[in-house]
Amino acid sequence: AQSVTQPDIHITVSEGASLELRCNYSYGATPYLFWYVQSPGQGLQLLLKYFSGDTLVQGIKGFEAEFKRSQSSFNLRKPSVHWSDAAEYFCAVVLTGGGNKLTFGTGTQLKVEL
Amino acid sequence: ETGVTQSPTHLIKTRGQQVTLRCSSQSGHNTVSWYQQALGQGPQFIFQYYREEENGRGNFPPRFSGLQFPNYSSELNVNALELDDSALYLCASSSDRNYGYTFGSGTRLTVV
Repeated sequence: AQSVTQPDIHITVSEGASLELRCNYSYGATPYLFWYVQSPGQGLQLLLKYFSGDTLVQGIKGFEAEFKRSQSSFNLRKPSVHWSDAAEYFCAVVLTGGGNKLTFGTGTQLKVEL
Repeated sequence: ETGVTQSPTHLIKTRGQQVTLRCSSQSGHNTVSWYQQALGQGPQFIFQYYREEENGRGNFPPRFSGLQFPNYSSELNVNALELDDSALYLCASSSDRNYGYTFGSGTRLTVV
């Protein structure tokens, strides 16, 4: 079945430590890939997106993500986490030729310890 | 450039009632999508409107309906509310020229 998987429900890191959030997708073709962040009670803010080309994508707030076709993955990384990064992070995909419908993973809740 | 605005921000309804949620899309965007986000879950696609026509629908019953107006603002209507309809409802707008989605802050609906 077509799906987006975020295997880590919760992650806790110390401020200043590096971060990697995992995302895997299961589709026949490479979809368009997105990472969103959601603060409590808020809407979704786009961090970055991948359509094609360079597989390392830079986003806002110092985030980057790497697309690996062989692993069907699009993991989000940040070299040094700040306390303000505590939030929920969602990976999402759009099927190419499938309209504008976003399909989201279940999210990863990030907690940052000071 | 204004973003996506949703109203109201919160509301409480009784089971069986009807509710209308509103969304003003970002300037220049002609496509509006609605998502339901239950507590602890990722958003689920309800439907999308493109130039006033429904352009895709997720796995939601017909009591979820919508409209898009000539100015590309949109409404989500839910009839015969059920307790499980309690969720954050998110509106997202985009342009048909790219996949840049801008989300509003959502409407928190509680059904009691």
